[in-house]
Amino acid sequence: DADVTQTPRNRITKTGKRIMLECSQTKGHDRMYWYRQDPGLGLRLIYYSFDVKDINKGEISDGYSVSRQAQAKFSLSLESAIPNQTALYFCATSDSNTEAFFGQGTRLTVV
Amino acid sequence: DQQVKQNSPSLSVQEGRISILNCDYTNSMFDYFLWYKKYPAEGPTFLISISSIKDKNEDGRFTVFLNKSAKHLSLHIVPSQPGDSAVYFCAAREDSGNTGKLIFGQGTTLQVKP
Repeated sequence: DADVTQTPRNRITKTGKRIMLECSQTKGHDRMYWYRQDPGLGLRLIYYSFDVKDINKGEISDGYSVSRQAQAKFSLSLESAIPNQTALYFCATSDSNTEAFFGQGTRLTVV
Repeated sequence: DQQVKQNSPSLSVQEGRISILNCDYTNSMFDYFLWYKKYPAEGPTFLISISSIKDKNEDGRFTVFLNKSAKHLSLHIVPSQPGDSAVYFCAAREDSGNTGKLIFGQGTTLQVKP
């Protein structure tokens, strides 16, 4: 089983719909992150969290919200999806002494 | 403003030869640098890292060099193998706040030809 699991792996949704991407981890790490990858832009940070009571915006948080339901779970929501949110989304975890571990990604298409 | 740049979108090398992937950065506060490898339909996986207090770190076929004065790092793969074909991301961390946040470059697609 993967240490960082993302669901769904692929999703096609319509403009204006609400969608949630979920992430769970078995690493026992406190820190969790959501990144998006776009061609030619690398990975950019959307939100990050140190624990269930701590949520922080990354460089591209507009149009997104997150929820840290438990130490192991961190979900990303698009309240009203728009086509330029079509991208590959990655969840990651880390602690203070390790590199970040990534999930396998969710390919989201907004039509 | 891209703080971490990988100016070569792609690189093609022959099996057995050296692959050199380059990365430039602008923020002198970055204290830790990492390379990740990404295969299609998978998440990025950690490859090798280097602290800003060092200028070289080696792990098997992979060596990362850091030139702080030039704000430049490079990843050397010797010898290159077809299984090394992937997208390579350079990443940097500025951790005065101990956040673990990473700033990524755009990625370089490496193709190793048999």
